[in-house]
Amino acid sequence: EDQVTQSPEALRLQEGESSSLNCSYTVSGLRGLFWYRQDPGKGPEFLFTLYSAGEEKEKERLKATLTKKESFLHITAPKPEDSATYLCAVQGGGGNKLTFGTGTQLKVEL
Amino acid sequence: KAGVTQTPRYLIKTRGQQVTLSCSPISGHRSVSWYQQTPGQGLQFLFEYFSETQRNKGNFPGRFSGRQFSNSRSEMNVSTLELGDSALYLCASSLGVGFGDTEAFFGQGTRLTVV
Repeated sequence: EDQVTQSPEALRLQEGESSSLNCSYTVSGLRGLFWYRQDPGKGPEFLFTLYSAGEEKEKERLKATLTKKESFLHITAPKPEDSATYLCAVQGGGGNKLTFGTGTQLKVEL
Repeated sequence: KAGVTQTPRYLIKTRGQQVTLSCSPISGHRSVSWYQQTPGQGLQFLFEYFSETQRNKGNFPGRFSGRQFSNSRSEMNVSTLELGDSALYLCASSLGVGFGDTEAFFGQGTRLTVV
């Protein structure tokens, strides 16, 4: 059974204070690892898909990396608008089923 | 380009009733998946449809069912509602099932409250 563990559960940063979120996973035949951002009361917003170990993707202040056992979401010089819950999910086997972690709740303060 | 549309956005139902939720995927997307999100369990997979066929099903009781129409729109139904069914129900659409086609885009969800 696919499993995803995210850490930390919650993270409070000062504006400009860079940090990383962790996503550890076990999956039978990784077809993709996904990062989403979710704001309260809204659906998850797609950020990145990573397909193989060593792959990296960037978008504004966010950079996602992937190894064979974990993924990191690096946040460089965060701003208050980056405050949200960040979700990691894996896709393995057949079909498009995603197995999600419980998320990291990020709060960026002035 | 329109995103994933879910209707209604909010629902209040009584225990024992049934409910139908609707999802219109992104134009051209043929795969639709449904998820239940609760504070205690997080996001959990319900089922996935592709070209009107159910491809995958999660570990939910038979009270939860779904279908997909020829235009890729999907509905999910929950019968005999229980208090524990209160949750945010999310629909996600993907282009297809091949490599690179499986990025899932979510709708805003339907907030179901069972009283």
